[in-house]
Amino acid sequence: DVKVTQSSRYLVKRTGEKVFLECVQDMDHENMFWYRQDPGLGLRLIYFSYDVKMKEKGDIPEGYSVSREKKERFSLILESASTNQTSMYLCASSLRTADTTQYFGPGTRLLVL
Amino acid sequence: KQEVTQIPAALSVPEGENLVLNCSFTDSAIYNLQWFRQDPGKGLTSLLLIQSSQREQTSGRLNASLDKSSGRSTLYIAASQPGDSATYLCAVTGGFKTIFGAGTRLFVKA
Repeated sequence: DVKVTQSSRYLVKRTGEKVFLECVQDMDHENMFWYRQDPGLGLRLIYFSYDVKMKEKGDIPEGYSVSREKKERFSLILESASTNQTSMYLCASSLRTADTTQYFGPGTRLLVL
Repeated sequence: KQEVTQIPAALSVPEGENLVLNCSFTDSAIYNLQWFRQDPGKGLTSLLLIQSSQREQTSGRLNASLDKSSGRSTLYIAASQPGDSATYLCAVTGGFKTIFGAGTRLFVKA
């Protein structure tokens, strides 16, 4: 069965802290994605990666960076957390980009105080 | 720029009813369309994926159709059950990007 895991379900951080969110998939998928989900705004793509060490900006990359050193792991980094980054963060992976199902992790609910 | 709209935003039906959820998109140049289910506070679960060359997909009590020319998809749920209560999202993929609708919140009353 397909499995995408995220390092934390809930996280509370202070403004200015550096925050790491980790995502791991066990399906040997090429593509991995980070989204954030906010009420009234839906899911928005932050970054995606189509191969190890490769990344592309999504619609809202400002304030975020990503790292993909191994195929199975995709990390989202908030360089200096701000209150407007309080959100639900969802990681997903897919075998290929164009024509395959995206599988989602359970999400990390981040609160920045 | 692709935009995805889902109507209605919320729906409440009695158990056993058949229902249809609607999704429309503005750019027909898509690779595929997916329907997802999301339970409160959880991630998304993929229900059905329709490739751009397909017209419909079925899984159990679920049937999804795709009409690319009109920019529409429907998700049909037969004989609804209280366990079907969740938010249903459609998403269209073109190129590297997947654009999601805001979702339809479904409540099935026992």
